[in-house]
Amino acid sequence: AQSVAQPEDQVNVAEGNPLTVKCTYSVSGNPYLFWYVQYPNRGLQFLLKYITGDNLVKGSYGFEAEFNKSQTSFHLKKPSALVSDSALYFCAVRDIPTDKLIFGTGTRLQVFP
Amino acid sequence: EAGVAQSPRYKIIEKRQSVAFWCNPISGHATLYWYQQILGQGPKLLIQFQNNGVVDDSQLPKDRFSAERLKGVDSTLKIQPAKLEDSAVYLCASSPEGRTDTQYFGPGTRLTVL
Repeated sequence: AQSVAQPEDQVNVAEGNPLTVKCTYSVSGNPYLFWYVQYPNRGLQFLLKYITGDNLVKGSYGFEAEFNKSQTSFHLKKPSALVSDSALYFCAVRDIPTDKLIFGTGTRLQVFP
Repeated sequence: EAGVAQSPRYKIIEKRQSVAFWCNPISGHATLYWYQQILGQGPKLLIQFQNNGVVDDSQLPKDRFSAERLKGVDSTLKIQPAKLEDSAVYLCASSPEGRTDTQYFGPGTRLTVL
């Protein structure tokens, strides 16, 4: 069965510093991987996805993610964090053949001024 | 383009009562999803519709939960009777035909069962 794991419940980073939110996956076959962000009292917003191709995927709001097949990881990154990036981040994998998304438990990102 | 609409935004009920949530997907989106997000966990798919047909309801507790999408547009999710463990945020999402890799989420309904 497809699954993703987010090993950190919370990540703290100072504004202006680079940030990384970790995700590892377990899939049979080629992975379809996603990152979503959830701001307080709002639904999930799509950030980026990896289907195939370039291992570095660029997404919304300056975020990018690096797909690493040997480490089965899909970490979310941003070169310079903003206070407004503070939110809950979810990694997800698309289940084949049902197409449903299977989400990780989420990582709370706190960016301090 | 209007987003996915959900109502109500918040609902507080007592256990054993009934509750219903409504979702209106983005216009033209063929696929509609209902997710349950319990505090501290990621969203879990409850049911997926393709137009007005059910694609996947394997994780829907059918003894108490039901959902319908009669005209292939908006959808209703019902819980009857509610249990304490049903306290969660219920998220609705939609995606265009053939594009299930991109799901657009509504703001959710926060249910508290006392």
